[in-house]
Amino acid sequence: DQQVKQNSPSLSVQEGRISILNCDYTNSMFDYFLWYKKYPAEGPTFLISISSIKDKNEDGRFTVFLNKSAKHLSLHIVPSQPGDSAVYFCAASVSAGGGSNYKLTFGKGTLLTVNP
Amino acid sequence: GAGVSQSPSNKVTEKGKDVELRCDPISGHTALYWYRQSLGQGLEFLIYFQGNSAPDKSGLPSDRFSAERTGGSVSTLTIQRTQQEDSAVYLCASSLALAGSGSRQYFGPGTRLTVT
Repeated sequence: DQQVKQNSPSLSVQEGRISILNCDYTNSMFDYFLWYKKYPAEGPTFLISISSIKDKNEDGRFTVFLNKSAKHLSLHIVPSQPGDSAVYFCAASVSAGGGSNYKLTFGKGTLLTVNP
Repeated sequence: GAGVSQSPSNKVTEKGKDVELRCDPISGHTALYWYRQSLGQGLEFLIYFQGNSAPDKSGLPSDRFSAERTGGSVSTLTIQRTQQEDSAVYLCASSLALAGSGSRQYFGPGTRLTVT
C-alpha cells in the first residue's frame, strides 16, 4: 500500500503562472516532509522541506504547505519558469526523536512541464 | 566539495548473474541509504546505514540483495542471481544524521541496471 501518494502523474503550466503540486499521505507517524526535484539521468535534488510543527515553509519561489488534519501537502512554485520542468517527488519520514532513522517514503512523482 | 558518486552509471547483465553497485557518499556524512526506482514507480527504500549501528535492512526485497558499508564510507550493494524484475535505477544517498528532525539526503546520479 502506498503511504505517500501523488495522484497527478503530470502537470502542465504556462511560464509565469503558479504551479501547484499535491501530495497525500496515510501514515500519521510521518512528521517530516520533503520535496525533491529530478531531471532525467540525474539523482533527485532536495528542494524544500517542512516539519509537522509548521504549516508553511517558504524559500524563494517555492512554498510548501502542510495540512496535517487532511494529511495533505502541496508545493507552490510562483512564478513558474521553464527550468522548473522536471519530476517532483514528495517524500515523508518519521524522525523518531533521537533514533535517527530517516528513511524516506516517496510518492511516484509528478512530471511538471512549464511552457514558455 | 564532491557530491555522492555511484558506479557504474549503467550495467547490463544476464539473468542469473551477480552484480555489485558502488556508492561513494559525501565525506563526513554518517548516514547512507540505498533506494531503487523501477519504471513508473517512486523511489523505494532498500537499506540504511548509520555509523557503526546495525543497518536497517527492512526494505530489501529478497535475500538475494545485500549491502555492506566498509569503514563508514563506501558502500556496495550486491544482487545475486539477478532477475528481470531487478531492472531499475539504483540510487544511493547520504546525509548528516541529525537527531530530532529528518535529515536532508543528497542523492547520487544512480546506476541503471538492466537484466536481460
